[in-house]
Amino acid sequence: AQSVAQPEDQVNVAEGNPLTVKCTYSVSGNPYLFWYVQYPNRGLQFLLKYITGDNLVKGSYGFEAEFNKSQTSFHLKKPSALVSDSALYFCAVRAPNQAGTALIFGKGTTLSVSS
Amino acid sequence: NAGVMQNPRHLVRRRGQEARLRCSPMKGHSHVYWYRQLPEEGLKFMVYLQKENIIDESGMPKERFSAEFPKEGPSILRIQQVVRGDSAAYFCASSPIRDRGNTGELFFGEGSRLTVL
Repeated sequence: AQSVAQPEDQVNVAEGNPLTVKCTYSVSGNPYLFWYVQYPNRGLQFLLKYITGDNLVKGSYGFEAEFNKSQTSFHLKKPSALVSDSALYFCAVRAPNQAGTALIFGKGTTLSVSS
Repeated sequence: NAGVMQNPRHLVRRRGQEARLRCSPMKGHSHVYWYRQLPEEGLKFMVYLQKENIIDESGMPKERFSAEFPKEGPSILRIQQVVRGDSAAYFCASSPIRDRGNTGELFFGEGSRLTVL
């Protein structure tokens, strides 16, 4: 069965510093990987996805993520954090080419950016 | 350009009552997913539906919970005889007709927050 692990409940960074939010996955075959962000009392917003091709994926709001097959990881990164990036971040995985599969989400990582 | 619409946004029920949560997918989307969010557990998949069909209900509790997506109207998540443990945020997501590669992201509503007294 597919699964996603986000090993950090919380990540704290100072504004202007680079940030990394970690994600590892377990799935049969080549995975489809996603990052979403959730602001307080809101729904989830799509940030980026990896399907195939270049291992470095660029997404919304300056975020990017690097797919590493050997380490089964898909860490979210941003070169310079903003206070407004403070939110809850979810990594998700979907097994490819399986009918009727939903996204499976990690538990989420709270990102706190201080000014 | 309406997104995924969920209502009510907040619902309070007493133990033993029924809760009905509604979800209208984005225009052109025919796939609906329900997720439950609890503070310490993250986002848990419950059920995946197409019009008039339940595709995957592997995440649904065996009792008291049901979901439907009729030919006309919104998708409904129904919780009978609610208990305090049902208190959570329930999110609906939709996607368009799925491409063969199943590569598409989901589009989420703002959620319905159920409180059971």
